[in-house]
Amino acid sequence: EVQLVESGGGLVKPGESLRLSCAASGFTFSSYSMNWFRQAPGKGLEWVSSISGSRNYIYYADSVEGRFTISRDNAKNLLYLQMSSLRAEDSALYYCARAGSSAYWGQGTLVTVSS
Amino acid sequence: DIVMTQTPLSLPVTPGEPASISCRSTQSLLDSDNGNTYLDWYLQKPGQSPQLLISTLSYRASGVPDRFSGSGSGTDFTLKISRVEPEDVGVYFCMQRLDFPITFGQGTRLEIK
Repeated sequence: EVQLVESGGGLVKPGESLRLSCAASGFTFSSYSMNWFRQAPGKGLEWVSSISGSRNYIYYADSVEGRFTISRDNAKNLLYLQMSSLRAEDSALYYCARAGSSAYWGQGTLVTVSS
Repeated sequence: DIVMTQTPLSLPVTPGEPASISCRSTQSLLDSDNGNTYLDWYLQKPGQSPQLLISTLSYRASGVPDRFSGSGSGTDFTLKISRVEPEDVGVYFCMQRLDFPITFGQGTRLEIK
């Protein structure tokens, strides 16, 4: 059974940093590109970043470029999102998701940026 | 960026009746290299994460009932539910993954009358 479990969310002040993790199981992690998405409370879905299985390709939304860094450890089946210089508008439920035609999303981890 | 526009934004439906949601993109989602159209449909049930219903225009995801179907071409797409069930309530999103940034429609909230 495919499982994606996010962790690392929390309450931080503007300008601070946070690292999200996503533990994957039930599939060959290294064979899949992975995505981070987010959803502000009561709002729609926003793509944040993508990374290919071999880390050859990495993409970011303009809204996070230069502040967020996506990475992965294929030996540990872990996906990461390092977030720095956080802003109030980064507050959202962050989802990791397996990419492609058999996409699968985790349950999300909540990030709140507030002074 | 490819902009995705869904209609309607709210959809009240009587159980057993059909339902249809439209999604339009500002650019064709056809990949001319392989013939695939990279348009997916998701359902986000209340309190849950989005679940994939339809991938690559018309392929039902594993476990998705056959009352759900996806169709369309180029820039115009449709999700159809042949007979709505009470468990189909939630917000339906279309998503394009032809190009980065990946983009979503605004969402269509389906409610039971």
